[in-house]
Amino acid sequence: AQSVTQPDIHITVSEGASLELRCNYSYGATPYLFWYVQSPGQGLQLLLKYFSGDTLVQGIKGFEAEFKRSQSSFNLRKPSVHWSDAAEYFCAVVGMRFGAGTRLTVKP
Amino acid sequence: DVKVTQSSRYLVKRTGEKVFLECVQDMDHENMFWYRQDPGLGLRLIYFSYDVKMKEKGDIPEGYSVSREKKERFSLILESASTNQTSMYLCASSLLGTRYGTDTQYFGPGTRLTVL
Repeated sequence: AQSVTQPDIHITVSEGASLELRCNYSYGATPYLFWYVQSPGQGLQLLLKYFSGDTLVQGIKGFEAEFKRSQSSFNLRKPSVHWSDAAEYFCAVVGMRFGAGTRLTVKP
Repeated sequence: DVKVTQSSRYLVKRTGEKVFLECVQDMDHENMFWYRQDPGLGLRLIYFSYDVKMKEKGDIPEGYSVSREKKERFSLILESASTNQTSMYLCASSLLGTRYGTDTQYFGPGTRLTVL
């Protein structure tokens, strides 16, 4: 059965610093992978998704993610974090199996 | 823009009550989903529907049922609410009518349900 692990429950970064959020998945075939963001008091919004093709995927708000089949990973990155990026981030496989989430705090 | 609306943002019910959570989407999407969100557990799928009157169990269907009489509306029903059903409930929809959740989902703002 498919599963998703987000090893980091909470991450704190300084504004302007780079960010990497980890996601590991378990799935038998080529996975459909998603990253969603949930701002306080709101529903989830899609940041980016990977189905096939180029393993480096660009998303909204300056985020990108890289699919690495050999490591079963789909890590989310951003070169320079803004205070408005403070939120909870969820990785999902095949759309309906979500990780536990990583809460991002941004320090001034 | 796709809009997914949920009938209540906050709801307080008593143990044993029958509870209805309503979700409406306005973009003619085929699939609709109900999740519950709990700290440290992320989102867990309760039920989804890939067509009108069609439904499938997710990972945690016990204690819940669903109804989809019209394409745009998907209801979650707690037949007899219990305190362990206190949670945030999120509804979502996606364009394609598949059973595998391969399409982007659009989420409502959530209903925070407290069962006393």
